[in-house]
Amino acid sequence: EAQVTQNPRYLITVTGKKLTVTCSQNMNHEYMSWYRQDPGLGLRQIYYSMNVEVTDKGDVPEGYKVSRKEKRNFPLILESPSPNQTSLYFCASTLASGRAVNEQFFGPGTRLTVL
Amino acid sequence: QKEVEQNSGPLSVPEGAIASLNCTYSDRGSQSFFWYRQYSGKSPELIMFIYSNGDKEDGRFTAQLNKASQYVSLLIRDSQPSDSATYLCAVRKDYGQNFVFGPGTRLSVLP
Repeated sequence: EAQVTQNPRYLITVTGKKLTVTCSQNMNHEYMSWYRQDPGLGLRQIYYSMNVEVTDKGDVPEGYKVSRKEKRNFPLILESPSPNQTSLYFCASTLASGRAVNEQFFGPGTRLTVL
Repeated sequence: QKEVEQNSGPLSVPEGAIASLNCTYSDRGSQSFFWYRQYSGKSPELIMFIYSNGDKEDGRFTAQLNKASQYVSLLIRDSQPSDSATYLCAVRKDYGQNFVFGPGTRLSVLP
C-alpha cells in the first residue's frame, strides 16, 4: 500500500530533551515536506526537500532541523524542544514533475506535547 | 495581512444545498491552488487543484479561480453530512514545493 508513515504518533516530552520524528514514504517521491498545524493558523510549512541532500526552509523553520540522506526518509529533529513547539505535525510527499501539479500525500500526523 | 485567508466559519448548510467556500491570497506570483478536506483527527486529503482562471469541475465539486482578484473558491453541490469537515485552501508559491495554507473553514452539513 502506498503510504507516508510517521513515528511516533504521539509524544509527550520535556523542554530541552532532543527528539526526532521519523517520516518514511514508499512511493519513490522526490519531494517531501514537514508541516505543523495549530488551531486558527492552519498548516505551516517547516522545511521541504526537493531530493536527497537538498532541503530548504519553509515559513517556520526556527527550532527545527531536517536531513534527507535517503529518498524515502525525511526525519524532523528538535534539538532543544520548547513548549511553543507543542503542535500536530504532518509529513507529506509528492512526485516531482517540474511545473506539473501533483498531489501531496500526507502522513497520519504526530501529536507532540512539550512540557 | 496573512498570505492566504479563508472565512473561519463554521459554515452550516442543510443537506442537499450548495456550500460555498472562499479563499483569498496575497502573492500575485502564486502558481497553483489546492483545496484539501480534513476530517477531525485525520490528515488532509486533496479534493481539487486549479491553476488556470475559470472553473474546474469534478463531480459535486467546482473550483473557481480569479487571478486578477486573487480569489479561489470551492463549491460543493448537493452537500452531504459526510462533507462535514474542515476545508483548507493552499497556494503553491512557485514551481517547487513551497506551499502556504489558509487557516481552514469548518463546514457542517445538517441532515
